[in-house]
Amino acid sequence: AQTVTQSQPEMSVQEAETVTLSCTYDTSESDYYLFWYKQPPSRQMILVIRQEAYKQQNATENRFSVNFQKAAKSFSLKISDSQLGDAAMYFCAYGQGGSEKLVFGKGTKLTVNP
Amino acid sequence: GAVVSQHPSRVICKSGTSVKIECRSLDFQATTMFWYRQFPKQSLMLMATSNEGSKATYEQGVEKDKFLINHASLTLSTLTVTSAHPEDSSFYICSVPGTGTPWSSPLHFGNGTRLTVT
Repeated sequence: AQTVTQSQPEMSVQEAETVTLSCTYDTSESDYYLFWYKQPPSRQMILVIRQEAYKQQNATENRFSVNFQKAAKSFSLKISDSQLGDAAMYFCAYGQGGSEKLVFGKGTKLTVNP
Repeated sequence: GAVVSQHPSRVICKSGTSVKIECRSLDFQATTMFWYRQFPKQSLMLMATSNEGSKATYEQGVEKDKFLINHASLTLSTLTVTSAHPEDSSFYICSVPGTGTPWSSPLHFGNGTRLTVT
């Protein structure tokens, strides 16, 4: 079974600084999708960024970018110019196959200090 | 606006009673929906896949007789927690795939339901 590991239960960053959240996963598949979701205190799940495994280029969305290392099965999220509104739980997730169900990591709680 | 509506957002019930949670797709039809459970300060765990017109597919370890799932129409899936007990207290979230081929469009999540069993 696929597993997703987030080894940082909590992280903090100063406003305007850069922070990197780590994620590793385990799979024997070659075609899959990886995601970072943000969950603020409202508990709404917000898609931050996605990466298709067949794409070598790292995905970017404005201040958010990933470092996807397929061979190492690593998928870290970099948040640049951190803002107070970035404070939330961040979940790394794995999806694969025709069923759009996700396997989530345990999450990293990000605090942004003013 | 919201694409998926989940109701209620909060519910408190007494031990032994049943609670129904609805997940409704507002803008499109969905033959499949997913139900997740999130314990406090923990990850989301997939409970089951809701299939329109057929039985739900439950993940290993999930009691199908306790967590009844009904996907009676292409826009509505319901999760009923039967004979609820305090250990069923949790946050329940549904997700609905977008239109098109799998993974071609973002998943849509409901806002979740916080269930408290007293």
